[in-house]
Amino acid sequence: AQTVTQSQPEMSVQEAETVTLSCTYDTSESDYYLFWYKQPPSRQMILVIRQEAYKQQNATENRFSVNFQKAAKSFSLKISDSQLGDAAMYFCAYRSPTGTASKLTFGTGTRLQVTL
Amino acid sequence: NAGVTQTPKFRILKIGQSMTLQCAQDMNHNYMYWYRQDPGMGLKLIYYSVGAGITDKGEVPNGYNVSRSTTEDFPLRLELAAPSQTSVYFCASTRSHNQPQHFGDGTRLSIL
Repeated sequence: AQTVTQSQPEMSVQEAETVTLSCTYDTSESDYYLFWYKQPPSRQMILVIRQEAYKQQNATENRFSVNFQKAAKSFSLKISDSQLGDAAMYFCAYRSPTGTASKLTFGTGTRLQVTL
Repeated sequence: NAGVTQTPKFRILKIGQSMTLQCAQDMNHNYMYWYRQDPGMGLKLIYYSVGAGITDKGEVPNGYNVSRSTTEDFPLRLELAAPSQTSVYFCASTRSHNQPQHFGDGTRLSIL
């Protein structure tokens, strides 16, 4: 079974600075999808960014980008020009393309604080 | 477009009571899921469905039941509520395996 590990329970960043959240995963599959979700205090689950394992190019969405290292099974999220609204829990998730269920496996999350 | 709608948003149950958490989506998604999120933890899959009439167990199915009589609805049933089922429950749906899951706003359930 796949596992997802987020080793940073909490991180802090100053407004306008850059922060990187770490995620590693364990799988024997060669093709899969990886996601970062944001969960603000409102507890909504908001998709931040996704990466297909077969794509070598790192995904980017405005201020959010990933560093996908397939051999190392690492999938970190970089937030540039941090804003107060970025404060939230961030979850890394893995999805296998095999079978038909499209199930997600989540890490335990990283709480990001943004300070003035 | 409402997306994924969960009701109720909050509920307090007594031990041994039963209840149904409702989930509906209006996006014609085949795949639907129920997750629970315990404090300080990630989401764990309870049950999922790949289409009307088809359901299967996830990682933590004990104490729960589901049904999927229509594409739109995927209710989660707690038969004998236990304190260990205190959690936030999320319903999600997706069109296909290469599309992201859309989540509802969650139901906070406390069992006392």
